[in-house]
Order: sequence, then structure tokens, then C-alpha cells
Amino acid sequence: GQQLNQSPQSMFIQEGEDVSMNCTSSSIFNTWLWYKQDPGEGPVLLIALYKAGELTSNGRLTAQFGITRKDSFLNISASIPSDVGIYFCAGLAAGNKLTFGGGTRVLVKP
Amino acid sequence: SAVISQKPSRDICQRGTSLTIQCQVDSQVTMMFWYRQQPGQSLTLIATANQGSEATYESGFVIDKFPISRPNLTFSTLTVSNMSPEDSSIYLCSVEGGRGADTQYFGPGTRLTVL
Repeated sequence: GQQLNQSPQSMFIQEGEDVSMNCTSSSIFNTWLWYKQDPGEGPVLLIALYKAGELTSNGRLTAQFGITRKDSFLNISASIPSDVGIYFCAGLAAGNKLTFGGGTRVLVKP
Repeated sequence: SAVISQKPSRDICQRGTSLTIQCQVDSQVTMMFWYRQQPGQSLTLIATANQGSEATYESGFVIDKFPISRPNLTFSTLTVSNMSPEDSSIYLCSVEGGRGADTQYFGPGTRLTVL
């Protein structure tokens, strides 16, 4: 089935750093969603984007809905240890069906 | 956002058996969804469960293997039938939410291991 291309697949963060990840698609979506999944938990919704060009913040998180409606990025500013986890982008299509990106695994630099 | 619970949270099952996973939400919702997350992978939609009608399955998933019930607007079950080790995954339910029902909220998942 259709897949969103999410990058990077993994990244190491040092406390205080800003991090960025993005998703691209060959298809247009009307809604982009960003989730975080901690080990043993279900994905938790971080940010929802509804309009092309929309820039939305939630605390230290900022996400944008690309103008072409085929991409989105998520930034985390001043990272802290609890930012570790797996971040997923998802596009919402007709019938409320979600298509997920492959995920970005955020790890702490040893 | 909706509060969603799943039972069981985890299980270890023998090959050839079946397991039924329950999903309960604290408010009435029209659409509920079932996803599979294989080890180290992303989430894949199995089916959409609507109350009063048969579930709609995605390509690669069939009713005989993953029968779904949706008896009311707050509850659904997913059965994983005739299990094999390849069925070892996390199974998650989600519900529509947000303005215009254009977001989804997820339950905590059921971690299934098939021996």
C-alpha cells in the first residue's frame, strides 16, 4: 500500500539541541498528523495540521503542512531526555484512513 | 480526546489458536479502526469497524483471519484466528476524534507473541 517517506530513520540527540524530521508523499493529504510512541504504549497525538502552509506549535514542538500538501516537517526545540521515542507522521485520506510514515527513532547520544 | 482501553495488554499464544482483543472507548464514536504494528515497524491499517455493518478490510487482510465485531458505538473486538508466529505484533485500535472527526486517537495496544 501507499507509504509515506519519513526521514531520518533514526537520530541521536544531545540535551538542548534542536531536531528536525520530515515526511513526503506522492499523494496529497488533507490532514497531516504527528504522533509519538513510547515503548509499550500506543501512539500519542502531538500535532494536527489541517491547511496547506499551516504552521502549528505545541510547546517545544512545531510542525508545518507543506504548500503542495505532499509533505510535512516536525521540529523539536531544546530537546530533553523524555523526547526519546519513535515519532510517526501520518496522512489522513478519504474514509478517515491513516497512512503512516516509517517512523523516526530518536535516541540519546551516549 | 477519547480514553481508549484494550484487553489484554499482552498475551503469549500457541500456534493454531485464536485470540480476541477488546477495545473500549469512553464515548460514542462512529468509526473505530484496527491496526497492526509488526516488530520494529510502522502501523498498518487492518480494517475499519462501523457499528451496524460489516467491517471494511484493507488489501492483504481478510475476514476469515481477522474477524471483527462492533456491537455498539463504544466497543469493538478483533480476533486473530489460527495464529502463526508471523502474527506476533502489536495490535492497536483507534477512534476518530477532533474537529470534523479528522484526527485519530489510539489505544495502548495489545502485544501478541505466538510461539
